[in-house]
Formats: sequence, structure tokens, C-alpha cells
Amino acid sequence: AQKVTQAQTEISVVEKEDVTLDCVYETRDTTYYLFWYKQPPSGELVFLIRRNSFDEQNEISGRYSWNFQKSTSSFNFTITASQVVDSAVYFCALSEAEQAGTALIFGKGTTLSVSS
Amino acid sequence: DAGVTQSPTHLIKTRGQQVTLRCSPKSGHDTVSWYQQALGQGPQFIFQYYEEEERQRGNFPDRFSGHQFPNYSSELNVNALLLGDSALYLCASSTGTGQETQYFGPGTRLLVL
Repeated sequence: AQKVTQAQTEISVVEKEDVTLDCVYETRDTTYYLFWYKQPPSGELVFLIRRNSFDEQNEISGRYSWNFQKSTSSFNFTITASQVVDSAVYFCALSEAEQAGTALIFGKGTTLSVSS
Repeated sequence: DAGVTQSPTHLIKTRGQQVTLRCSPKSGHDTVSWYQQALGQGPQFIFQYYEEEERQRGNFPDRFSGHQFPNYSSELNVNALLLGDSALYLCASSTGTGQETQYFGPGTRLLVL
């Protein structure tokens, strides 16, 4: 069965610290897609990144970077030099290609608090 | 370029009532998905509409139903409301081909008393 686990419920850091959010997934499909979304207090989910199962290249976008490892079924997200504006709930999600639609399966989220 | 819009933003209902939530997809998108997010939890998939048909459904009872219109907008209907239906209801839109990224609206906060 498909599942996404975000073991860290809450993380608190001080500005300029680096922080890594963990995501572990389970799926029987060979083709799948992984996502990270950010949910600020306003509630709207903001898309951050999408990764295909056949592309294990790590990605960097400004202060954000993602490490995808199929061998450990993990898709971790690192924020370098965190800022107060990074405070939000972050969700990892999985979508399986061998289903009729494109439903996203979300983890329970990690609440990141960055203090100044 | 307008993003995904949802209405209303907030809603208060009592147990047993019925509610209709609305969603307009992002320009160029033809697929609409609905999610329920209880407090402190991740969003749970309710169903997805494509070409005015329900293409995929999550583990939700028949009290949850939907519709997609020719202009791709969508409605989520919930009958016989329960206290446990109190949640943030999120709509997401995407294109119908392949595993395209879903973009979310601001959500509707439903409180059932």
C-alpha cells in the first residue's frame, strides 16, 4: 500500500541555521512522482518541487535543495540559511502512475518554526 | 494569470445540513481534485474530476459527491453533515494528461456545529 511518512512533527531553528525535513515513502509502483508543498498560516498549499521516480538527480533552487534516494525510499528537503519567512508546515506527497487518476498521498507534515 | 479560486472562504453549518463548495481551476487546467484537511493532519484525497466524470475516488462515503461543469469548474457537495466533517477543504487543479503538478486554491474552512 502507498504511504508517506514524515517522522518529524515539529522542528524549531534559529535564523541562518540549516534544516533538513525528512520524507520516507512506500509504493509498489515502479513509476511514481514525489512532491513537496509548503503551507503557510494562510492555509494555501504552495508547490515547491516535483520529482519523477526515474530521475534521482538532486536539485537545488536557491536556498532549497532536495535529495532523492530510491535505495532508501527517501526524498528529503533541506533549507540552507533558514529565514523567518520559511516558517510553515511542509508536506511531502506521492502520486502513483499506475492509478486511474493522479491522487496525491500526503504525509502528516512537518511544522517548521524559524525564530529571529 | 488567475490561480485556483474557491468559494466561500469560510462556512458554518449544523449537523445534518448539506453544503456545496465551489472551485474554479487555474487557466488552462481541465482536472479538478478535492482534498479534506483536518486540523493538524495532511490533506486526504476525496475525488478527482476530468472531462466532467469522476475519474478517481478516495476512501470517503457517498455523502461526499461532486460535479464538474463544461468550463472545468467544480462543486463538492456534502450531505448529512457530521461534526467530523469540520475541516479545510482544498481544491487543486492540473492538466489531464500524465502526472502533472496539482496547484491548490486557498481552501474553504467548514465548521459543523
